[in-house]
Amino acid sequence: SAVISQKPSRDICQRGTSLTIQCQVDSQVTMMFWYRQQPGQSLTLIATANQGSEATYESGFVIDKFPISRPNLTFSTLTVSNMSPEDSSIYLCSAATVNTEAFFGQGTRLTVV
Amino acid sequence: GDSVTQMEGPVTLSEEAFLTINCTYTATGYPSLFWYVQYPGEGLQLLLKATKADDKGSNKGFEATYRKETTSFHLEKGSVQVSDSAVYFCALSPGYSTLTFGKGTMLLVSP
Repeated sequence: SAVISQKPSRDICQRGTSLTIQCQVDSQVTMMFWYRQQPGQSLTLIATANQGSEATYESGFVIDKFPISRPNLTFSTLTVSNMSPEDSSIYLCSAATVNTEAFFGQGTRLTVV
Repeated sequence: GDSVTQMEGPVTLSEEAFLTINCTYTATGYPSLFWYVQYPGEGLQLLLKATKADDKGSNKGFEATYRKETTSFHLEKGSVQVSDSAVYFCALSPGYSTLTFGKGTMLLVSP
């Protein structure tokens, strides 16, 4: 099955700064997604990354805060902008094809201080 | 909207004990149902799935049956091992690959 590599695996950032997380899949996929897992909470879908067009955001998430790119069928980035301690979470990239269930990267553990 | 409710953890068991983690869902239509597992320090892995009523998903000794009448998808294993210690997530998908997750249940198995 396909493998997702996420970078960085973890980071500690100052409030007010931005962090870009990269997600690379080792084969072409139809769909890519970004989830957030806040401490002690479940995973929440942030957005669907659309190739060549703007991402589709879920309620409560906006492009200015979480800009997403997807330039091709194997790569996407999520930026967490103007960070605050409330953004401390694990961010997970997910991907799927027409014939497979969603699979996940190992996540990026972000701590904002 | 769609939602998934699973039992609170942590669930603490001795090795070789029987495991049940309850999961119920609310959804329109007929979603696919999943159990994902997250081992310490790792990402989510698909454990098993069921796509229609009365389907039984199974993998690594774990089983779950899609019960439409009770809107449930309980996870069971007859004899747990220490290596099963992880967080287990129940999830549903309407078929577009986006997932709605439960809050997760931590399982701790002691020797």
